[in-house]
Amino acid sequence: EIVLTQSPATLSLSPGERATLSCRASQSVSSYLAWYQQKPGQAPRLLIYDASNRATGIPARFSGSGSGTDFTLTISSLEPEDFAVYYCQQRSNWPPQWTFGQGTKVEIK
Amino acid sequence: QVQLVQSGAEVKKPGASVKVSCKASGYTFTSYYMHWVRQAPGQGLEWMGIINPSGGSTSYAQKFQGRVTMTRDTSTSTVYMELSSLRSEDTAVYYCVAVAGPYEYFQHWGQGTLVTVSS
Repeated sequence: EIVLTQSPATLSLSPGERATLSCRASQSVSSYLAWYQQKPGQAPRLLIYDASNRATGIPARFSGSGSGTDFTLTISSLEPEDFAVYYCQQRSNWPPQWTFGQGTKVEIK
Repeated sequence: QVQLVQSGAEVKKPGASVKVSCKASGYTFTSYYMHWVRQAPGQGLEWMGIINPSGGSTSYAQKFQGRVTMTRDTSTSTVYMELSSLRSEDTAVYYCVAVAGPYEYFQHWGQGTLVTVSS
């Protein structure tokens, strides 16, 4: 089973700052990686798929990069609504199996 | 647009079973696969399995094999997730997620159902 490790666990930043979140896979997942944002009491929202593609309606300040085992989610300039928990996710081949990282909380400094 | 409405909160005793429903609308029911994902209080997301509403085939995460059953009722556009032999560690919010294909990412989420396991 592929394990996803996110770092840091918590990121304390101010609005307007740049956020860089990391996700490392225990073995290559090619580019089959997604990022989600979750706010308290809400379901997660898909931000990035296939490592670098923004989902519909996601602002351009969110970007993803990486392939193989190392991935990054960057928020270029934090808006107040961006303070949330972020999860990475990967999928394996047939039968389809999905795993999530443990999450990174982006909190207001 | 895709809408998923889940059943209400449940309280169960250890050893019991729970069956959570997810009613879909806004699309052709048999054209989308359905995942189930759970989240324990204050914890991360955990994938449980997937069902193809078209034929009813399923694939479960190894952790839940033997304890989870996913079914569907095409007449009511509803998917069900039943978890048996409940223990306190199963206390979580359970989400259904509709996807256009088995390898599609998780775009459409239900509102979640809180299942509490307590004696």
